Amino acid sequence: QKEVEQNSGPLSVPEGAIASLNCTYSDRVSQSFFWYRQYSGKSPELIMSIYSNGDKEDGRFTAQLNKASQYVSLLIRDSQPSDSATYLCAVKGGGADGLTFGKGTHLIIQP
Amino acid sequence: DADVTQTPRNRITKTGKRIMLECSQTKGHDRMYWYRQDPGLGLRLIYYSFDVKDINKGEISDGYSVSRQAQAKFSLSLESAIPNQTALYFCATKAPPNNEQFFGPGTRLTVL
Repeated sequence: QKEVEQNSGPLSVPEGAIASLNCTYSDRVSQSFFWYRQYSGKSPELIMSIYSNGDKEDGRFTAQLNKASQYVSLLIRDSQPSDSATYLCAVKGGGADGLTFGKGTHLIIQP
Repeated sequence: DADVTQTPRNRITKTGKRIMLECSQTKGHDRMYWYRQDPGLGLRLIYYSFDVKDINKGEISDGYSVSRQAQAKFSLSLESAIPNQTALYFCATKAPPNNEQFFGPGTRLTVL
């Protein structure tokens, strides 16, 4: 069974620091990787997608992918209180067309 | 206006009742999905559809059925609701050519 693993947290980070979120996946044929942000009671919001090994930067966010290690990470620079949310790692692997999600990491940015 | 809408946003029903959750999108995407989210379990795929004539089961389809009435509409039905179907339900659409999915606002369903 395909699995996506995340540390549930909470991960507490001071305002202005770098928040580092990690994710591992089991399906070696996975090709597409996503990070979603979800505020309590709200729907997941796509913040980053990455498809090839290496780093991808978008504003304060950087996604990192290492397919050999089956590892995806998200860095948030200059963390703001508004970044406090649950971050979901999602993977598109072989088989069914939908995404497989991790259970999410609860991030708290301390002012 | 929102690109993906879901109705109702909240619903309380009783065990054994039939209930339908509806999803509409204005994105023009062919692919649509239904997920449920439970505390501690994350999001899980129920059904997905490539187009009106192509419906596929996801990870947890038992107890659910779907209907793709048009490209823009995808409905999820619980024929006889049970309490362990209490969850947050999300509809999503996918943008070609990559696999990015965009979610509706969700329906909070409580089965008593």
